[in-house]
Amino acid sequence: QSALTQPASVSGSPGQSITISCTGTSSDVGGYNYVSWYQQHPGKAPKLMIYDVSKRPSGVSNRFSGSKSGNTASLTISGLQAEDEADYYCGSYTSSITWVFGGGTKLTVL
Amino acid sequence: QVQLQESGPGLVKPSETLSLTCTVSGGSISSFYWSLIRQPPGKRPEWIGYISYSGNTNYNPSLQSRVTISLDPSKNQFSLRLNSVTAADTAVYYCARGYGPGTAGFDYWGLGTLVTVSS
Repeated sequence: QSALTQPASVSGSPGQSITISCTGTSSDVGGYNYVSWYQQHPGKAPKLMIYDVSKRPSGVSNRFSGSKSGNTASLTISGLQAEDEADYYCGSYTSSITWVFGGGTKLTVL
Repeated sequence: QVQLQESGPGLVKPSETLSLTCTVSGGSISSFYWSLIRQPPGKRPEWIGYISYSGNTNYNPSLQSRVTISLDPSKNQFSLRLNSVTAADTAVYYCARGYGPGTAGFDYWGLGTLVTVSS
């Protein structure tokens, strides 16, 4: 199973919006609406931010949104805040009945 | 609030067996699917496998020959055994709750436990 591809880093200033991409294949991202996004602060467990491509769990800010086009999913964070600085990982269900993750994107809030 | 807690030895010798237990509190283990996910230092998470509330298992093909996940509903626990470990198995190991095949996302995670494979 192949891993998902994310940019290594993105940055933005407070109040701005950023988008993180996650590219897979037709066997994972493109084949199912089962993409999730996780926020991970240093030394902490991942936190689910988006599931089923665009749904937010209870308690997650509506500044976080997700979308998908073809084999690429995207996470957008609007109104950037200092507390958003973290690593972000995408994940997807696959045709092999497994789950695969991206390499992670480090978000820096300038 | 569901909480998961990993427990196990932090150091395992090469060729030996890594054993880890996940304790679930704030909810019954007799629902949902329970996964083990690991993350080598500085690398992406890797899904290891799951066990369902009914005891069905499914493993990552890359680890299938070495992995066993079991369930103990009486203790609200599930456990991982990974045989013949090498340095490549050094990682933070997480317990996580999911919803099974055809779903996305793991909504509750443990804090993770670092397991180092070294002599």
